Amino acid sequence: AQSVTQPDIHITVSEGASLELRCNYSYGATPYLFWYVQSPGQGLQLLLKYFSGDTLVQGIKGFEAEFKRSQSSFNLRKPSVHWSDAAEYFCAVGAENYGGSQGNLIFGKGTKLSVKP
Amino acid sequence: GAGVSQSPSNKVTEKGKDVELRCDPISGHTALYWYRQRLGQGLEFLIYFQGNSAPDKSGLPSDRFSAERTGESVSTLTIQRTQQEDSAVYLCASSSRPGPDTQYFGPGTRLTVL
Repeated sequence: AQSVTQPDIHITVSEGASLELRCNYSYGATPYLFWYVQSPGQGLQLLLKYFSGDTLVQGIKGFEAEFKRSQSSFNLRKPSVHWSDAAEYFCAVGAENYGGSQGNLIFGKGTKLSVKP
Repeated sequence: GAGVSQSPSNKVTEKGKDVELRCDPISGHTALYWYRQRLGQGLEFLIYFQGNSAPDKSGLPSDRFSAERTGESVSTLTIQRTQQEDSAVYLCASSSRPGPDTQYFGPGTRLTVL
C-alpha cells in the first residue's frame, strides 16, 4: 500500500538557520508529490508540488524541495528560517487508486517545526 | 467567498448523537474531498466527489458516515450515532479538476464527542 513517511515528529531550529524536513514515499509509478503547511487554527496551504520535469521545485515563502527517485524522497528545504515559519508541515503523495484519476492525497503524519529566537 | 469555508468551526456533541458538517468549496471547483485529521496524525482520506457523484466511498470508516453534494457545490458530511473515536478535525478541500492537482483546504471543523 502507498505510504508517506516523515521521520521527524518535531524539529527545532534557530531563526536564520537552514532547514531540511524529510519525506519518503512508497509509490509504484511516477508520483505526484506535495508539501503543505498548517499553521495553528488554519487550513492547509500548499507550499509546492512536483509532477514532472525539473526535480528541484521552488515554492512559496522561500521553500524548495528536491525529488530523488533513487531514494524515494522529496525533502523540503529552506536556507534561512524565519520565526513565522513555525508550523506543522505535511508531505503528501497523490493516491494511485483509479489510476490516480481521483486525485485524493495520502499524507504523512507531519513534522512540527519550532523556531528559536 | 474566495476560499473553501466550513461550518461549524467547532462542534461538541454527546456520544450517540448525529452531527452534520458543511463544506462550501471554491466556486466552480468540480472536485471535492473530505479528510479526517486525528490528534497527532496525518490526514486520512474519507470521500471524493466529482460533481455531485461520489465514485469511491471506500474511505469512509464505517456505515455511520455518509456524505452528499448538491448543485456541484455544497457538501455535507453526516456522522450518525457518534462515538468518541470520531473526535477529530474534519477538513474539506476542493480542486478545479479531478486528478492530481492543487487542493485548496478549508479551516476544518473540530468535532469533539463527549
